[in-house]
Amino acid sequence: DSGVTQTPKHLITATGQRVTLRCSPRSGDLSVYWYQQSLDQGLQFLIQYYNGEERAKGNILERFSAQQFPDLHSELNLSSLELGDSALYFCASSVVPWEHTGELFFGEGSRLTVL
Amino acid sequence: QQQVKQSPQSLIVQKGGISIINCAYENTAFDYFPWYQQFPGKGPALLIAIRPDVSEKKEGRFTISFNKSAKQFSLHIMDSQPGDSATYFCAASRRDFGNEKLTFGTGTRLTIIP
Repeated sequence: DSGVTQTPKHLITATGQRVTLRCSPRSGDLSVYWYQQSLDQGLQFLIQYYNGEERAKGNILERFSAQQFPDLHSELNLSSLELGDSALYFCASSVVPWEHTGELFFGEGSRLTVL
Repeated sequence: QQQVKQSPQSLIVQKGGISIINCAYENTAFDYFPWYQQFPGKGPALLIAIRPDVSEKKEGRFTISFNKSAKQFSLHIMDSQPGDSATYFCAASRRDFGNEKLTFGTGTRLTIIP
């Protein structure tokens, strides 16, 4: 158990809908990362937050947004969903980003299916 | 832009054999190279990592070989066991404020057969 909690584990929704994925980082970790995993794309970095502030942005669509709250949990909001958004969404956390150990602690993911 | 290229996409190795997965990177600013292991239904977990000041790092049956001039690194699993069957991701990161994120390869699905 990595200590990172993601909810929901599975989510099925229709095109055009909006969903929110939630992540609670390990106790003491200030940095949260969101990754998207699809079959042919591997793990794609979406966005990183550190202590409530956005720190880095990757290949995140404009229909997607995220935030990190004062209690350090994070939410990833996906709107106007398309079939191609079906994927596993992982949250990961680390103590501080600049420790640069490369060790991220991943949750078990939220599997999104868009029908 | 794929900054870390990983091969092969899938690999089948007999029990007791050596599994080898290769990665190549483009960005010379990368200075940390971890490997992550992912079992079905689970998130990736750090397996072993190396910095470019050494050419090899070994932990148990797992070894990373690093070739800085060729910008390549590889994972070797000795005496491969069925429990090693998983997806393996190489990754790279750099010490740069706001850019410490890990860039992952596309993954290798390893299957160890009896």
